[in-house]
Amino acid sequence: DQQVKQNSPSLSVQEGRISILNCDYTNSMFDYFLWYKKYPAEGPTFLISISSIKDKNEDGRFTVFLNKSAKHLSLHIVPSQPGDSAVYFCAASEGNTPLVFGKGTRLSVIA
Amino acid sequence: GAGVSQSPSNKVTEKGKDVELRCDPISGHTALYWYRQSLGQGLEFLIYFQGNSAPDKSGLPSDRFSAERTGGSVSTLTIQRTQQEDSAVYLCASSLGTGIEGGYTFGSGTRLTVV
Repeated sequence: DQQVKQNSPSLSVQEGRISILNCDYTNSMFDYFLWYKKYPAEGPTFLISISSIKDKNEDGRFTVFLNKSAKHLSLHIVPSQPGDSAVYFCAASEGNTPLVFGKGTRLSVIA
Repeated sequence: GAGVSQSPSNKVTEKGKDVELRCDPISGHTALYWYRQSLGQGLEFLIYFQGNSAPDKSGLPSDRFSAERTGGSVSTLTIQRTQQEDSAVYLCASSLGTGIEGGYTFGSGTRLTVV
């Protein structure tokens, strides 16, 4: 009964191109969504978030898109850089409850 | 401190022993969370402390797991009679309020290996 799903365990992209990481969720009560980035041997770090009242939020090279009817969100990174290579976690929250995380997608940006 | 501090960073223990994992949250953060990440899995919620409210223990996998938060600051996660399936990275995070908009700040985790 995984509520947040990241169906692609890994993704490989060439430097300078766009990286698109996808996330699906099942709980229609989720009202806030976040992306975290994790390097090996470090804790996850917050990247970008979006409220359910919006469909897009942009911060520099990172943009998150939310499609509520499809219960789908995506993170776009453009242009991708080698330093973006990490595991990306999608997370969601209902009200003030603790975040529910997906299993992560490992992004490799190839120079 | 500047960030969330966890200790030890690595712990190897024998099956059946008890372990204690420590978390020092960011000063002033009212909320504190424990998650764990088993191999190939996502972050699994364990327990959540918010101010002086009763903790949300709904994620604790068994009664061998317990946690406390003293003085609204430092937290200790205790696992009694450890089992091999307890092997994972245990992550602590803290936040101001619910931390939803700004996210949680995570520590680097404690890697627990039960042999």
